[in-house]
Amino acid sequence: QKEVEQNSGPLSVPEGAIASLNCTYSDRGSQSFFWYRQYSGKSPELIMSIYSNGDKEDGRFTAQLNKASQYVSLLIRDSQPSDSATYLCAVIVDFGNEKLTFGTGTRLTIIP
Amino acid sequence: EAGVAQSPRYKIIEKRQSVAFWCNPISGHATLYWYQQILGQGPKLLIQFQNNGVVDDSQLPKDRFSAERLKGVDSTLKIQPAKLEDSAVYLCASSLEGTGFSYEQYFGPGTRLTVT
Repeated sequence: QKEVEQNSGPLSVPEGAIASLNCTYSDRGSQSFFWYRQYSGKSPELIMSIYSNGDKEDGRFTAQLNKASQYVSLLIRDSQPSDSATYLCAVIVDFGNEKLTFGTGTRLTIIP
Repeated sequence: EAGVAQSPRYKIIEKRQSVAFWCNPISGHATLYWYQQILGQGPKLLIQFQNNGVVDDSQLPKDRFSAERLKGVDSTLKIQPAKLEDSAVYLCASSLEGTGFSYEQYFGPGTRLTVT
């Protein structure tokens, strides 16, 4: 079983709608969770971090964490064409060395 | 605040040649990471430094890859000899040393390596 799993997509969402991206992780001891956005040909850009169960909102982005179910999700409200990118879920599994384990990413396309 | 700097941005070499990449982290960031990202995959950690000491190099192919971080700032990653499967983007990232939730990592633009 992969440590961090994401649906590879592609996921297509109409402009203005809510895009929902999901990620599950295998290590129950994981403590820190991150969402990165990666445009084609560019490097990953940190957009959200979440450490506690529940929701964390930042502008149009909301991260949701459920440690009991071992999943973390990212909601993008009022989706814009500029949100079209690959979204990478990353988890710190080993709290001691801060090593990020990434999923393979979900490719999101916002349809105008 | 300046971001993570990397050079070169692109490199094309033949198999069995050597290549080196350079990274300068965000000022004040004690922890530096080198990742390899193969097309269609998420980044994979190769090596992690805290100041100039190695924290994790468990996934570094040590028969051909080497890395150093002299003086706890800049770092170089070297591949010698290169293989075709080393074609990837090599990403450098940095983060603050652990106070509170200082695990957020910020990536440089990457070096795209093509081995022919």
